Amino acid sequence: GAGVSQSPRYKVAKRGQDVALRCDPISGHVSLFWYQQALGQGPEFLTYFQNEAQLDKSGLPSDRFFAERPEGSVSTLKIQRTQQEDSAVYLCASSSQDRAYEQFFGPGTRLTVL
Amino acid sequence: GDSVTQMEGPVTLSEEAFLTINCTYTATGYPSLFWYVQYPGEGLQLLLKATKADDKGSNKGFEATYRKETTSFHLEKGSVQVSDSAVYFCALIVGSARQLTFGSGTQLTVLP
Repeated sequence: GAGVSQSPRYKVAKRGQDVALRCDPISGHVSLFWYQQALGQGPEFLTYFQNEAQLDKSGLPSDRFFAERPEGSVSTLKIQRTQQEDSAVYLCASSSQDRAYEQFFGPGTRLTVL
Repeated sequence: GDSVTQMEGPVTLSEEAFLTINCTYTATGYPSLFWYVQYPGEGLQLLLKATKADDKGSNKGFEATYRKETTSFHLEKGSVQVSDSAVYFCALIVGSARQLTFGSGTQLTVLP
């Protein structure tokens, strides 16, 4: 079956622009996660949804970062007024209700802010 | 806070060599432990897991044992193949938290 998909795969933005990154989780997965992966580092948690509810956003680095999942399926991570330090790969993952520990990751969106 | 420390890479081995990638952790509670693998051009994939002390996770010839006394979860494989070339991440989840805490990753290159 289809895995987690993310779009776009690559995004180049000028400093100060707003960007929107999309995640399509595996169908039926109730949990959805966003992670940020800097070059040469492990992923770092940003935020977590269960269905449409955002239960944890403690990892969002600033109020320029905003995530939503209005219908409990597709999610969008929005970054306003992008800065160079926002350059990273943004990973989305989803998991099912009964195997919550097993997260399935998408290929990521590589964001470069010039 | 919770954290994971992995041996620094990159690691380069010849085919059929023995592999060990060290991983130690610090956790505020009782963690579940994971190894994820990222092949070139692909997303992260769960390789193996262990949820309690002395459990051994295994998959594709890889093994790791949850050692509570040494807070470690070292990844081993007896005979690596070229196709094992990838980045390996050790990770944990603590208690009711849902998010993974990752180490910094170890790049493995296996030469024919």
